[in-house]
Amino acid sequence: AQSVSQHNHHVILSEAASLELGCNYSYGGTVNLFWYVQYPGQHLQLLLKYFSGDPLVKGIKGFEAEFIKSKFSFNLRKPSVQWSDTAEYFCAVNSGAGSYQLTFGKGTKLSVIP
Amino acid sequence: NAGVMQNPRHLVRRRGQEARLRCSPMKGHSHVYWYRQLPEEGLKFMVYLQKENIIDESGMPKERFSAEFPKEGPSILRIQQVVRGDSAAYFCASSPRDGQSYEQYFGPGTRLTVT
Repeated sequence: AQSVSQHNHHVILSEAASLELGCNYSYGGTVNLFWYVQYPGQHLQLLLKYFSGDPLVKGIKGFEAEFIKSKFSFNLRKPSVQWSDTAEYFCAVNSGAGSYQLTFGKGTKLSVIP
Repeated sequence: NAGVMQNPRHLVRRRGQEARLRCSPMKGHSHVYWYRQLPEEGLKFMVYLQKENIIDESGMPKERFSAEFPKEGPSILRIQQVVRGDSAAYFCASSPRDGQSYEQYFGPGTRLTVT
C-alpha cells in the first residue's frame, strides 16, 4: 500500500522567513500529487497539484512545489511566509492507476510569528 | 457556487447510538468521497460513491459503517452502535469526475464525539 511521509510535525517561522515542507511517497508508478492547506477553523483547500508536465508547480498565495521523481518527493516551498500562512499543510497522493482515493500524510502545522 | 456542505459540524453521541453524517457535493459534482481523520493522523480514505452506486468501500470498517448517495439528496455516512474509537473528524469531498484527473474539493468536516 502506498504511504505518504511528512517529515515535520510542527514548524515555527518568523515572518519573511523561507519555508520548505518535506513530502515523500512510497508508490513507484504514475502519481498525481497535491498539497492541501487547512486554515484554523476552515476546511481543506487545494494549494497546488501535479498531474504531469513541468515538475515545478506553482499554486495559490505564492506557494510552489517541485516533483522529483527519483527522490519520490514533492516538497512545498514559499520564499517569504506571512502570518496569514499559519495553518496545517497536508501532502496527498493519488496513484493515478485506476485509483481515485487520496493517501494523505499526517500533516505539518506551520506557525508564523509576526 | 456553494462549496461542499456537511452537517452537522459537530455531533455528540453516546456509546451504542447511531450517527448520521450528511454531505452535499458541489453543484455539478456527481462523485463523493468520505475520509476519516483520527487525532494526530492524516485523513484516511473510507468510501467512494457515485449517484446510487458504491464504487469503492475498501476503507470502510467491515461492521457498523455504511454509506449511500441516493439519486436525490445528500450522501449519508451512517455509523451504527458508535464506540469511543469512532470519535474523529469525518470529511466529505466531491469531484466533477473521478479523482484521477480532477482534484477533490473538501467540506468543513463533521467532528463526531462519542461519550
